[in-house]
Amino acid sequence: NAGVTQTPKFQVLKTGQSMTLQCAQDMNHEYMSWYRQDPGMGLRLIHYSVGAGITDQGEVPNGYNVSRSTTEDFPLRLLSAAPSQTSVYFCASSYSYRGTQETQYFGPGTRLLVL
Amino acid sequence: AQTVTQSQPEMSVQEAETVTLSCTYDTSENNYYLFWYKQPPSRQMILVIRQEAYKQQNATENRFSVNFQKAAKSFSLKISDSQLGDTAMYFCAFMKGGTSYGKLTFGQGTILTVHP
Repeated sequence: NAGVTQTPKFQVLKTGQSMTLQCAQDMNHEYMSWYRQDPGMGLRLIHYSVGAGITDQGEVPNGYNVSRSTTEDFPLRLLSAAPSQTSVYFCASSYSYRGTQETQYFGPGTRLLVL
Repeated sequence: AQTVTQSQPEMSVQEAETVTLSCTYDTSENNYYLFWYKQPPSRQMILVIRQEAYKQQNATENRFSVNFQKAAKSFSLKISDSQLGDTAMYFCAFMKGGTSYGKLTFGQGTILTVHP
């Protein structure tokens, strides 16, 4: 299993540009999430999904869109990048088993710089 | 809503010594999980230890152990026999039990440096 993969590893954007951060998992996990990491603030939840076709907002959703057409993929779209979106982005996946929430698996992260 | 607070932005320890990282949280939930994650310079998020709130026994993983004080809402991480490879950012995290869908609430992080 490749686990959780993210592309690209690093990206530079100009203000106003759009882009999609890719996330894929091959573990058949039902839950997937996007977090952003900023200095002094830990990781904060952007959007999450509980299954194909079902997504919801997290703590900091503004400026980001998501969709989940398959179990495996959960892309994060920046429609019009802003310098405030400069951050490190992590995708994570997990599942529940017999009512117990299993541990999150994290991708390697994408570093995004918006100029 | 839950909050997680790590009040130590940076800590340092000598190799082979013991260090304790602090974490407090606030929640009205009774069923939840607590985690410590390690983030080395590679940025990979690595699970160190997990504690279920209903378990009174403190979780232990080799040199890593926690002191879980449910009434005080405290969840500290003790690293024994510190090694140079323990140098990393450490995050405390909270997850509701039941239908949490894997959503985590993180603390601000503590940078730990192990000196030779």
